[in-house]
Amino acid sequence: GAVVSQHPSRVICKSGTSVKIECRSLDFQATTMFWYRQFPKQSLMLMATSNEGSKATYEQGVEKDKFLINHASLTLSTLTVTSAHPEDSSFYICSASAGTAAGPTGNTIYFGEGSWLTVV
Amino acid sequence: QKEVEQNSGPLSVPEGAIASLNCTYSDRVSQSFFWYRQYSGKSPELIMSIYSNGDKEDGRFTAQLNKASQYVSLLIRDSQPSDSATYLCALTPGGAQKLVFGQGTRLTINP
Repeated sequence: GAVVSQHPSRVICKSGTSVKIECRSLDFQATTMFWYRQFPKQSLMLMATSNEGSKATYEQGVEKDKFLINHASLTLSTLTVTSAHPEDSSFYICSASAGTAAGPTGNTIYFGEGSWLTVV
Repeated sequence: QKEVEQNSGPLSVPEGAIASLNCTYSDRVSQSFFWYRQYSGKSPELIMSIYSNGDKEDGRFTAQLNKASQYVSLLIRDSQPSDSATYLCALTPGGAQKLVFGQGTRLTINP
């Protein structure tokens, strides 16, 4: 199957600093990428949807100025957590799709391995 | 009402038995439904997708979809200890591409 890679897999940063997480589709062109956040023992919460070359669409309650998403190419999307605080510590997961519609007439969504962020 | 609801469990099943996981959803327009398995500390992996009413079988896994009753289920036959994980139900709301997840059901298979 298709491969989506995230980097770094684990990162520790100091409170107040910014940290960038990369999501790459290794063997297909990802028209759309999604960023999720998962707190311990909770489900995945969609943060934003990004399409290559356009601004990301953020879910309600997600601060777009704090979580900067850039989808500059068809194989790379980045999530930057700005001015990180301990409450931002979480498991961040990206997923990618080659098309614009999921399901029987669309494309499979592939998940990256996730990135653990710890803010100290 | 949450878009996707699952019993958080934990659900304990003896090895070799059938594990039954259920999920209900609120958006009648949803077209695509998925079951993911997530091991602790790992990213979710796709087990099954189902788009039409009825059953879909793949090895030990069977997904069932009933759009009239707005539920989707996953049966795991001949459960193995390696099946112990959190199972996430997901759908694409209103035909959109994004996936919306339920809270997941923790399944433990007891040897």
